[in-house]
Amino acid sequence: AQKVTQAQTEISVVEKEDVTLDCVYETRDTTYYLFWYKQPPSGELVFLIRRNSFDEQNEISGRYSWNFQKSTSSFNFTITASQVVDSAVYFCALSEAYSGGSNYKLTFGKGTLLTVNP
Amino acid sequence: DADVTQTPRNRITKTGKRIMLECSQTKGHDRMYWYRQDPGLGLRLIYYSFDVKDINKGEISDGYSVSRQAQAKFSLSLESAIPNQTALYFCATSGGTSGILQFDEQFFGPGTRLTVL
Repeated sequence: AQKVTQAQTEISVVEKEDVTLDCVYETRDTTYYLFWYKQPPSGELVFLIRRNSFDEQNEISGRYSWNFQKSTSSFNFTITASQVVDSAVYFCALSEAYSGGSNYKLTFGKGTLLTVNP
Repeated sequence: DADVTQTPRNRITKTGKRIMLECSQTKGHDRMYWYRQDPGLGLRLIYYSFDVKDINKGEISDGYSVSRQAQAKFSLSLESAIPNQTALYFCATSGGTSGILQFDEQFFGPGTRLTVL
């Protein structure tokens, strides 16, 4: 069975600090996808990134970057120069294929609450 | 207009009442999902449907039922609500092309906050 662990329940930083959110996953599949979602205080879930298991290149999008390492089954998320608007709950998620099918379902970690203080 | 809508957005009800949460989408996706979110537990899958004729239980389906009325509509029912079903409920959709090994991200509705007294 697939599993996603976000060991950091809460993180608090001061604005402009860099912060890394950890995500460790377990899966028996060789083909899978990893995701990060953001849930701001307003409650909606916002998709941030998708990464497939064959692509270990790190990705940068503005102040956001992601480090995918299959060797350690980790997909960590770094926010550079954090801002108050980054305050949210961040979820890491994993999808794997059903055997023989092209259908997928998503397993979420329990989330990390990030608070960025001014 | 939002691509994935949920009604109602907030609901307070009493123990034993039947409740239906509705989800509609205009994204043309085949796959639809219902999750519940509880503090400290993340999102957990209740039911999912990969097309109109395909409905599957998720990890916490007890006490819930669903109906896929059309490709665009997926309803979640609590036949007899109980207080521990108080939670934030999300509907989600995803696309993807059958026969091809790919997966699109799930798009979430705004959520329904349900309180069972």
